Amino acid sequence: DIQMTQSPSSLSASVGDRVTITCQASRDITKYLNWYQQKPGKAPKLLIYDASNLEAGVPSRFSGSGSGTDFTLTISSLQPEDIGTYYCQQYDFLPQTFGQGTKLEIK
Amino acid sequence: EVQLVESGGVVVQPGGSLRLSCAASGFTFDDYAMHWVRQPPGKGLEWVSLISWDGGTSYYADSVKGRFTISRDNSKKSLYLQMNSLRPEDTALYYCVKGTNGYSGSYYDYWGQGTLVTVSS
Repeated sequence: DIQMTQSPSSLSASVGDRVTITCQASRDITKYLNWYQQKPGKAPKLLIYDASNLEAGVPSRFSGSGSGTDFTLTISSLQPEDIGTYYCQQYDFLPQTFGQGTKLEIK
Repeated sequence: EVQLVESGGVVVQPGGSLRLSCAASGFTFDDYAMHWVRQPPGKGLEWVSLISWDGGTSYYADSVKGRFTISRDNSKKSLYLQMNSLRPEDTALYYCVKGTNGYSGSYYDYWGQGTLVTVSS
């Protein structure tokens, strides 16, 4: 199975900060990497698909980059509503696997 | 509006069986593969199973292979998960999830609200 390793596991930042979360795959997954946001008590929500494509309706402060084994989710200016847990997911190989999550809090 | 509504989650004893259902609306159900993804309480996400648009192909996580069976009824726009030989480690919130192609892995653009399965004596 492809192992997905996210860092950091948790993060505390101030409103307006630039926030970066990384995801590393245990082997090349080309561009088949997605990012989800999960707020407490809610289902995950798709933010970015295929490494860098912004899902419709997602604010433009979210962006994704990377290819191969190394990927990044960036929030350009953190907003209070961005708190939650962020997961990366690969779908180049079955089983599709998720990272362990990054919990984002406001400082 | 796309809606995915899961049902069937209950408390069940180890070794027991359970069938989860998911009612879909707001999209052409038989155009897309469908998935089950689970989340143990306070933990991360785990993909469980997928079924192709026509029900002809299915895949499972090793952790459930041989115990769980995914199926679908396109005439009823419904997805199912038959869960047998349940273990305490199967305790989780089970999400019904829509794929973005008809036959294989993909990203997930719509999720249900989840149904909670608790395996405990």
